Amino acid sequence: AQTVTQSQPEMSVQEAETVTLSCTYDTSESDYYLFWYKQPPSRQMILVIRQEAYKQQNATENRFSVNFQKAAKSFSLKISDSQLGDAAMYFCAYRSAEDSNYQLIWGAGTKLIIKP
Amino acid sequence: DAGVTQSPTHLIKTRGQQVTLRCSPKSGHDTVSWYQQALGQGPQFIFQYYEEEERQRGNFPDRFSGHQFPNYSSELNVNALLLGDSALYLCASSLELNSPIYEQYFGPGTRLTVT
Repeated sequence: AQTVTQSQPEMSVQEAETVTLSCTYDTSESDYYLFWYKQPPSRQMILVIRQEAYKQQNATENRFSVNFQKAAKSFSLKISDSQLGDAAMYFCAYRSAEDSNYQLIWGAGTKLIIKP
Repeated sequence: DAGVTQSPTHLIKTRGQQVTLRCSPKSGHDTVSWYQQALGQGPQFIFQYYEEEERQRGNFPDRFSGHQFPNYSSELNVNALLLGDSALYLCASSLELNSPIYEQYFGPGTRLTVT
C-alpha cells in the first residue's frame, strides 16, 4: 500500500521569503500523480500544483514550484515571495495511475505560518 | 461557474443516530468522491461514485454508504454513529473525461460532531 509522509507539522516563514515544504512517499508503482493542496482556515481545499511521475520536468505555477525526485520518492513544494494569504495547511497527496484506482492518499499536512 | 457545494455546514448528532450529508458537484463534473478528515489529520478516502455506482471504496465499514443521483449530486449516509465519526466530511468532484488526471475540486465540507 502506498503511504505519504509529511515530516514537518509546522513551518514558519517571513513574508516575502522562500519556504520549502517536504513530502516523501512510498510506492512500488512506476506511474502515478502527485499533488499539493492548500487548506486555508475554515475554507475549502484548493489544488496548488500537480506532477505526473512520467514527466522529468518539475511543475511550476507562478510562485509555487516542486522538486520531484522520483528515485528518492520525494516531492517538495517551494513557495517563493511568501504572502500572508499563503498561510494555510498544506497537504501532499498521491494517486496511482492504475486503472480503477481513483483515490487520493494524503499526508498529515504541514501548517504554514507567515510572519509579517 | 458553480463550485462544489455541501450541506449542511455543521451537524451535531448523538451516538447511534443516522446522518445524511449532501454534495452537489462542480458544474459539468460527473464523478463524486467523499473523504473523512479527522481533526489535525489528512483526509481519508471513503468512496467514489460514477454513473450512479460506487466504483471504489476505501477502508471504511458498511455503516458508511452513499448514493449518486442522475444529476450527479451525491449523498453520504452514516448509520449507527460513533464518537469516532466526528470529523470534517469533504466532497470532491471531477470529470471522467479528464482521465487519467481526474483533478478533484473540493467543497467546503460538513463538520459532523457526534456526542
